[in-house]
Amino acid sequence: GDSVTQMEGPVTLSEEACLTINCTYTATGYPSLFWYVQYPGEGLQLLLKATKADDKGSNKGFEATYRKETTSFHLEKGSVQVSDSAVYFCALTDSGNTPLVFGKGTRLSVIA
Amino acid sequence: GAVVSQHPSWVICKSGTSVKIECRSLDFQATTMFWYRQFPKQSLMLMATSNEGSKATYEQGVEKDKFLINHASLTLSTLTVTSAHPEDSSFYICSARRPGQGGGYTFGSGTRLTVV
Repeated sequence: GDSVTQMEGPVTLSEEACLTINCTYTATGYPSLFWYVQYPGEGLQLLLKATKADDKGSNKGFEATYRKETTSFHLEKGSVQVSDSAVYFCALTDSGNTPLVFGKGTRLSVIA
Repeated sequence: GAVVSQHPSWVICKSGTSVKIECRSLDFQATTMFWYRQFPKQSLMLMATSNEGSKATYEQGVEKDKFLINHASLTLSTLTVTSAHPEDSSFYICSARRPGQGGGYTFGSGTRLTVV
């Protein structure tokens, strides 16, 4: 079945450092790819998404590009802030009304 | 738009009692909702797919008699944890897909269940 693999955390960075969280996927079709963020004690919020190869999703300074050739959707940000501290989940869905399949999540802590 | 309201946010119950969690789509109709469970510092595991007007589809290993799902209307799905035990303590999150092409998934804010 479909699966998502993302880098293990936790990741601790200093403010203004560069961030990359790796995500690779396995899917039978052509999935849509997502990054969700979960702040402490809260539910999940969509951060960005991409629905086809070479699409780039971006939001709040975060970016991720749908790379079909490497089956990857790595999350990047050039300069992180303390407020970015959260757990980040990579996810995919094949199509239609199928549920999201999540990676294990990567906890990011940004220190001042 | 596309808001999903989940209630309660947290609940503490005694072992052996039942707890009902509600998930409502406030401004759209959701024929399908998804229930996830999240253990501390782990990912979300899909428990079941809730279908309006029909039986829920449970993932392998999820006890359907223990986790009762009802989706009686296009805007409401409920998850009832029956005869709860401490090992059922977890964070439960519901989700629904927003209508329209490219509609993403909206998540409820989650329910933290603690069984004592």
